[in-house]
Amino acid sequence: SSELTQDPAVSVALGQTVRITCQGDSLKTYYASWYQQKPEQAPVLVIYGKNNRPSGIPDRFSGSTSGNTASLTITGAQAEDEADYYCNSRDNSGNYHWVFGGGTKLTVL
Amino acid sequence: EVQLVESGGDLVQPGGSLRLSCAASGFTLSTYWMMWVRQAPGKGLEWVASIKQDGSDKSYVASVKGRFTISRDNPNNLLYLQMNSLRAEDTGVYYCARDFSGQTLYYFYYSMDVWGKGTTVTVSS
Repeated sequence: SSELTQDPAVSVALGQTVRITCQGDSLKTYYASWYQQKPEQAPVLVIYGKNNRPSGIPDRFSGSTSGNTASLTITGAQAEDEADYYCNSRDNSGNYHWVFGGGTKLTVL
Repeated sequence: EVQLVESGGDLVQPGGSLRLSCAASGFTLSTYWMMWVRQAPGKGLEWVASIKQDGSDKSYVASVKGRFTISRDNPNNLLYLQMNSLRAEDTGVYYCARDFSGQTLYYFYYSMDVWGKGTTVTVSS
């Protein structure tokens, strides 16, 4: 099965731009989706497809892909963006399986 | 309002069984693939199982195959996860989630757009 690799932790100064990355072979076939999870809460979808935001997600969140690496960019990070971020995609094994990255803890300084 | 509400989590001994339920509202369950995702304490998310709209196709992560069974009751808007032969490593919060997959003119997309708040399963003696 596939694996997705994320940096465990990233920090950003308030109002600055931060990029969170996700690497894996499945990303050569499938676009990553990105989820935000705050403590004791369920994950929330923030980016899907090439670069699509669900209704209600601020436009400071954007996504991109290059080769086997997907990126989530937050332009002008806010205090409320401090959270864990997970990428996921379909597994490229051919079955209807999914894989998640290990998550990145974002700290807004 | 589109909503998923899980229930059935409990403390159970190793080797025991548990059935989780997920009640869907605000949308027609029968038109979506659905899935279960879990999160061990202090750990990341892990996809557990998925089921096709009519229940005819099911997939499982290798670690639960043969022990867990995903099913659904579309007329009553319910999703289930039957968990047998439970192990300590099955401990965690279990979320049900709605598959949000489709295509634009140029590409396919796959994601999970609606999540429940989760139900906690603890496997311990």
